[in-house]
Amino acid sequence: AQKVTQAQTEISVVEKEDVTLDCVYETRDTTYYLFWYKQPPSGELVFLIRRNSFDEQNEISGRYSWNFQKSTSSFNFTITASQVVDSAVYFCALSGTVYSSNDYKLSFGAGTTVTVRA
Amino acid sequence: KAGVTQTPRYLIKTRGQQVTLSCSPISGHRSVSWYQQTPGQGLQFLFEYFSETQRNKGNFPGRFSGRQFSNSRSEMNVSTLELGDSALYLCASSSRQGGEQYFGPGTRLTVT
Repeated sequence: AQKVTQAQTEISVVEKEDVTLDCVYETRDTTYYLFWYKQPPSGELVFLIRRNSFDEQNEISGRYSWNFQKSTSSFNFTITASQVVDSAVYFCALSGTVYSSNDYKLSFGAGTTVTVRA
Repeated sequence: KAGVTQTPRYLIKTRGQQVTLSCSPISGHRSVSWYQQTPGQGLQFLFEYFSETQRNKGNFPGRFSGRQFSNSRSEMNVSTLELGDSALYLCASSSRQGGEQYFGPGTRLTVT
């Protein structure tokens, strides 16, 4: 079975502070994909990043960066210099591949609500 | 390119009734997945369709069913509605299995 844990329920910061969201996953699959999604107050889930389990290279995209560590089964997400528009619920998710028992089913964490105050 | 569209956006039904929700994927996307989002259970996978075939199914009772048409549009049906079926139902499409999924705005179902 797959499991994604986002231990932080809510995080509140002042604008321009950095925010790091933790994500720990469990899977028996040797190949898998990791994702981060953002759900703003409007409700629509917005895709942020997809990571293959073979690729542990960290990634930076603008103010967003991701730290994937297979040894600790973690895929953390950092927002640098946060802005009010970053306020949303952020979900970490895990899926298998065609080679795994879980196939491509997406398993989501419970989400972390980020509030950025002006 | 137009995004994923879902209809209707809001729905109120009575316990015992059935409901059909519709999802039109992004043009060219052949994979459609459905998710249920509730405050208590979070986001849970319902099923995935690819080229008109159900490829994966989550742990939901048989009252939840779906299908995909040749144009990749998908519908999900819930029969004999229960109060606990009240949720936001999200549809997502992908160009291929395992690819990034793009979500629609969801259908908010309220069962009274």
